[in-house]
Amino acid sequence: EAQVTQNPRYLITVTGKKLTVTCSQNMNHEYMSWYRQDPGLGLRQIYYSMNVEVTDKGDVPEGYKVSRKEKRNFPLILESPSPNQTSLYFCASSLSWDNPRPYSGANVLTFGAGSRLTVL
Amino acid sequence: GNSVTQMEGPVTLSEEAFLTINCTYTATGYPSLFWYVQYPGEGLQLLLKATKADDKGSNKGFEATYRKETTSFHLEKGSVQVSDSAVYFCALAVGTSYGKLTFGQGTILTVHP
Repeated sequence: EAQVTQNPRYLITVTGKKLTVTCSQNMNHEYMSWYRQDPGLGLRQIYYSMNVEVTDKGDVPEGYKVSRKEKRNFPLILESPSPNQTSLYFCASSLSWDNPRPYSGANVLTFGAGSRLTVL
Repeated sequence: GNSVTQMEGPVTLSEEAFLTINCTYTATGYPSLFWYVQYPGEGLQLLLKATKADDKGSNKGFEATYRKETTSFHLEKGSVQVSDSAVYFCALAVGTSYGKLTFGQGTILTVHP
């Protein structure tokens, strides 16, 4: 089954304790991205990667790191978590960043089920 | 910059009622527009999309028409079901860069039997 898999799904941790949220996709997608979802704010992009070893900041990158050493994996790293990083996190992937014309409609984001993180 | 504004929720309806969720946007460049749905405990799924003015996206009885003159992409369904209870997100991507989505804040829909 084609999917994006995130782990852990739920995590409670304490301020300053480094943690990693893993994301893996089995669709050979080039593009991967991390979003956080907060009430009243919708989803905001944290980081994205257009391909292996190519990553860039999204709208809210502060306090996060990412790496893309393999095509299928895109982990999100919180080096020193703080309570304001308590959120619901989503990983997403798509065939590529862009849709060359003529538009085919196939290149849309596939999301993981989410990881709920609480930082005390 | 780009932004998406959705109507305030939550929205509570009885089964078979008519649904409208308003969505307006501002964008630099020509956007493609999307509606995503998030069922309880799950990730977001693409519900429908439209890539140019006057296009109508449709899926599972839901429809939305890309209105460039009013910068809107309102979601409608003629007769909702309990199974439609979810959070609905309007989103845009400028040009063909679908990897960079800008989302609205989401609208919670609850449908009662």
